[in-house]
This record gives sequence, structure tokens and C-alpha cells, in this order.
Amino acid sequence: QKEVEQNSGPLSVPEGAIASLNCTYSDRVSQSFFWYRQYSGKSPELIMSIYSNGDKEDGRFTAQLNKASQYVSLLIRDSQPSDSATYLCAVNYNQGGKLIFGQGTELSVKP
Amino acid sequence: DAGVTQSPTHLIKTRGQQVTLRCSPKSGHDTVSWYQQALGQGPQFIFQYYEEEERQRGNFPDRFSGHQFPNYSSELNVNALLLGDSALYLCASSSSGRGDTQYFGPGTRLTVL
Repeated sequence: QKEVEQNSGPLSVPEGAIASLNCTYSDRVSQSFFWYRQYSGKSPELIMSIYSNGDKEDGRFTAQLNKASQYVSLLIRDSQPSDSATYLCAVNYNQGGKLIFGQGTELSVKP
Repeated sequence: DAGVTQSPTHLIKTRGQQVTLRCSPKSGHDTVSWYQQALGQGPQFIFQYYEEEERQRGNFPDRFSGHQFPNYSSELNVNALLLGDSALYLCASSSSGRGDTQYFGPGTRLTVL
């Protein structure tokens, strides 16, 4: 059974700090990786996609992928209260196919 | 550029009834995937439609069925509703020719009493 695991949290950080969200996956043939943000009562919103080992930066967000360790992370710099949400890690094992999600990490940014 | 749309927003049904949920993909997208999200959990893949065919299916019973129309819109049907079917149903669209990034609609909240 292919699995994606995240720490459910909640993860609490002060405003302006770096939030670090982690995700591990079980299948080495995984091809693409996604981070979604989900506010309470809303649907998931895409933040980042990453396909190759290393870092990918987009504004205050950096995704990091290490396929050898089967690990993907999301760093949020200068965290804001508006970043408070659940962050979902998703893995796609075959191009264009289903996404397998972790259970999500709840992030709380305190003013 | 219209995003993914879903209808209805909310729905209340009783056990044993049948329900149909609808989804229109993002402009330029031809692939629709459906997910079920229970409270406090990540979305679970139900199935994916491409070229009006079910291309891939998750671990859901046959009570869950779907359809894709020539305009790429899609329906999710659930028969013989159970209390455990209460969840947020999410539709995601993607483009077969432009990678595998999936964009989600606002979802339909189904409550089964």
C-alpha cells in the first residue's frame, strides 16, 4: 500500500518565523510531489509542485525534495497569521494519475 | 479564466437515497478526478475520467459511479447512501497534455442523515 505520511500537528510558530512542514512517502517510483493549502471549510489550493531533487522556491515558500530519503518538505519564511491552515502533501506515482495525500499538518501562526 | 466549478455546494440526504454531484473543469483541461475528504483526513481518490472513460479507480465500492461528457464536465453518482458517505466531495481538473498538476474545485459538502 503506497502511503504518504505527515505529522498532523498542530504546528505552532510565531509571526515572522520559519515554518517547516515535512512529508515522507513509501514508494520509490513516485514521480511528482505537491503541496496544497486548505483553509478550514474550503478546498485544497495548490502552493507548489516539485519533480526533481533539490529546492524549488516561490516567494516565501520553498519545497525541498530528497528522493533517496523519500522525503519532501515545505518551508514558509516570514510566516503570517494568514498562513494558518492545514497543509496537505500529495504524491503522484504515475504521470497524470491519482494523487495520494497525507492526512495534513495543521499550522497555526501566532501574532 | 474560469476555475473548476462544482454543484451543489451543500446537500443533505437520508440513508438509502441516491445523489449526483456535478463538476466543470478549468478551461483547457480535459481530465477530471474525484476525491472524498472526511473530516480531519486528507482527500481519498475515487476515480479519474479522461476521454469519457474511467481511466483509474481507487478503493471505493461500485455504489460510486461517474460519467464524463463530451464537454469534459463530469458527474459523480452515489447510490444507497450510508452515514459514512458524509464528507466533502472534491473535483480536480488537469490537462493530459500539460503535466499532472490537479486544481480543485470548491467541493460539495454531503451530509447523510
